[in-house]
Amino acid sequence: DAGITQSPRHKVTETGTPVTLRCHQTENHRYMYWYRQDPGHGLRLIHYSYGVKDTDKGEVSDGYSVSRSKTEDFLLTLESATSSQTSVYFCAISDQDIETQYFGPGTRLLVL
Amino acid sequence: AQSVTQPDIHITVSEGASLELRCNYSYGATPYLFWYVQSPGQGLQLLLKYFSGDTLVQGIKGFEAEFKRSQSSFNLRKPSVHWSDAAEYFCAVVMGFSGGYNKLIFGAGTRLAVHP
Repeated sequence: DAGITQSPRHKVTETGTPVTLRCHQTENHRYMYWYRQDPGHGLRLIHYSYGVKDTDKGEVSDGYSVSRSKTEDFLLTLESATSSQTSVYFCAISDQDIETQYFGPGTRLLVL
Repeated sequence: AQSVTQPDIHITVSEGASLELRCNYSYGATPYLFWYVQSPGQGLQLLLKYFSGDTLVQGIKGFEAEFKRSQSSFNLRKPSVHWSDAAEYFCAVVMGFSGGYNKLIFGAGTRLAVHP
């Protein structure tokens, strides 16, 4: 398995609070991605990174921001959590843009 | 619009029976194609992928998939299902976009149940 960890694995928070999820990789892969998984939607891309300090938006980026200050870490921040952001969040990595993506174990987030 | 469709939300098969999970995509050029499996509470594991060459690809756990360009399909098959195959299966497709970034688009998934 690719060396990808996500923290926390589970989190319960209240509407309006900031939340940061962390993805850590030990593979030295260039590309990192954040997805959210919701029933009936599969996985949808939130943001991705193609290098340190290089990030861009995915299809469902509203309400989310990201940062990548080191190759191994990719942070996802919900500035002010809403109930619609209750979801399972997956981090993924790949060595090249079109290469296979490898997924972390996921973070289950509940916003009350 | 570029999209990936998995027509079957749920499928139930008996252990030992054959399995086919359908995947269709809408894209004008040749895509890169993947099948992932997700066990309950777990992340996604790659089963197989197609980039080019032989249109019948073999994957892990005895799975195979066939790319049919004329039908825009990439169906997943297994000749004999085991109880441990019960999981959710996702088809995913890389489609080029005008912005230059090749994004992985997922189907909604097919949940497989296996009866003993």
